[in-house]
Amino acid sequence: EVQLVQSGTEVKKPGESLKISCKGSGYSFTSYWIGWVRQMPGKGLEWMGIIHPRDSDTRYSPSFQGQVTLSADKSISTAYLQWSSLKASDTAMYYCARRITIFGVVTQRYFDYWGQGTLVTVSS
Amino acid sequence: QSVLTQPPSASGTPGQRVTISCSGSSSNIGSNTVNWYQQLPGTAPKLLIYSNNQRPSGVPDRFSGSKSGTSASLAISGLQSEDEADYYCAAWDDSLNGLFGTGTKVTVL
Repeated sequence: EVQLVQSGTEVKKPGESLKISCKGSGYSFTSYWIGWVRQMPGKGLEWMGIIHPRDSDTRYSPSFQGQVTLSADKSISTAYLQWSSLKASDTAMYYCARRITIFGVVTQRYFDYWGQGTLVTVSS
Repeated sequence: QSVLTQPPSASGTPGQRVTISCSGSSSNIGSNTVNWYQQLPGTAPKLLIYSNNQRPSGVPDRFSGSKSGTSASLAISGLQSEDEADYYCAAWDDSLNGLFGTGTKVTVL
């Protein structure tokens, strides 16, 4: 059974650093991209970026470039999202998701499995 | 700020058909496939439709998707109370950035 299990709720102060995790199981972790999605309180989904655990190839949304860092440790089938200096505006639920890629005349890309989410609260 | 535009809300009575639109551009929907996600209250998003009109195993056939040009639609026929949720369209753009729609809240009256 494919599963993405994320780390637990975090409560941090502005300026602090944070690294949250997403552990994959039930499939070949190095065969699929892992994406990260932000959902601010009461708001919609925002695509943050994506990483391939095989070689850590990474793409960032222009909105999040320079604000966060994606990484992965394929030896333990885990992807990470980290901040070096949190802001109150980083308060949100963060989801990881596995991306399927099917190459063809038109390449198909979609997130088929999602983690349960990690709630990050940043408050002084 | 999303470039995929959805109506903020839609509603219907049980058994009715509800349609949600998703408007994009030639660099996203116009040249890439569209996916739809359902987010029930307090839960993670779930894949509902992929590649414009394909249903994953386990998704009821009352959910259907279509795409034409730079727009896509999700239809829910035979609306049920458990369909009350937020629905998001999604696509990739030609720069391989992921995009989500603005989201539509479906209410079952």
